[in-house]
Amino acid sequence: QKEVEQNSGPLSVPEGAIASLNCTYSDRGSQSFFWYRQYSGKSPELIMFIYSNGDKEDGRFTAQLNKASQYVSLLIRDSQPSDSATYLCAVNEKTGGSYIPTFGRGTSLIVHP
Amino acid sequence: SAVISQKPSRDICQRGTSLTIQCQVDSQVTMMFWYRQQPGQSLTLIATANQGSEATYESGFVIDKFPISRPNLTFSTLTVSNMSPEDSSIYLCSVLIWWQGAYEQYFGPGTRLTVT
Repeated sequence: QKEVEQNSGPLSVPEGAIASLNCTYSDRGSQSFFWYRQYSGKSPELIMFIYSNGDKEDGRFTAQLNKASQYVSLLIRDSQPSDSATYLCAVNEKTGGSYIPTFGRGTSLIVHP
Repeated sequence: SAVISQKPSRDICQRGTSLTIQCQVDSQVTMMFWYRQQPGQSLTLIATANQGSEATYESGFVIDKFPISRPNLTFSTLTVSNMSPEDSSIYLCSVLIWWQGAYEQYFGPGTRLTVT
């Protein structure tokens, strides 16, 4: 069974610090990797995606992918209280010709002033 | 990207009744899904809504309980049948959009269902 694992947290960081969110996945055939932010009571919002090994930066966010270790992470620099949310890792795995996304349980991030 | 709307945004229903949730996308999409998210939990895939054929259900979900329609490439409905309090959840419509060599996934705003 394909699995995507995340530490549920909460991860608590002070304002201005770097928040590091981690995710591991079980299927080596996974093609693409996504990070979603979900505020309480809202639907998930896509914030980053990465397809190739290495780092991808977008503003204060950096996604890191290591396919050999089956590991993807999200770094948030200069964390703000508005970054407090649950962060979901999602992995797209090819199944019978279709791409079926698998989600982790999410990591709750709290940025305190 | 895709703009997805859902109706209703929330509802309170009585046990034993059924509710149909509508999902409308602003562009034609091949792949559309229905998810459930129970309080404090992550997303659970209910089924893939297939245009022109029966939906593909995940383990633990059956057509009699969650019938799905997909009459065209921009619209789908999910019905929650014979509801019980355990069906209280947020139901989310989602689509995959092919963009620059990979699929990106977008979610509708969700339908918050409370069953009393």
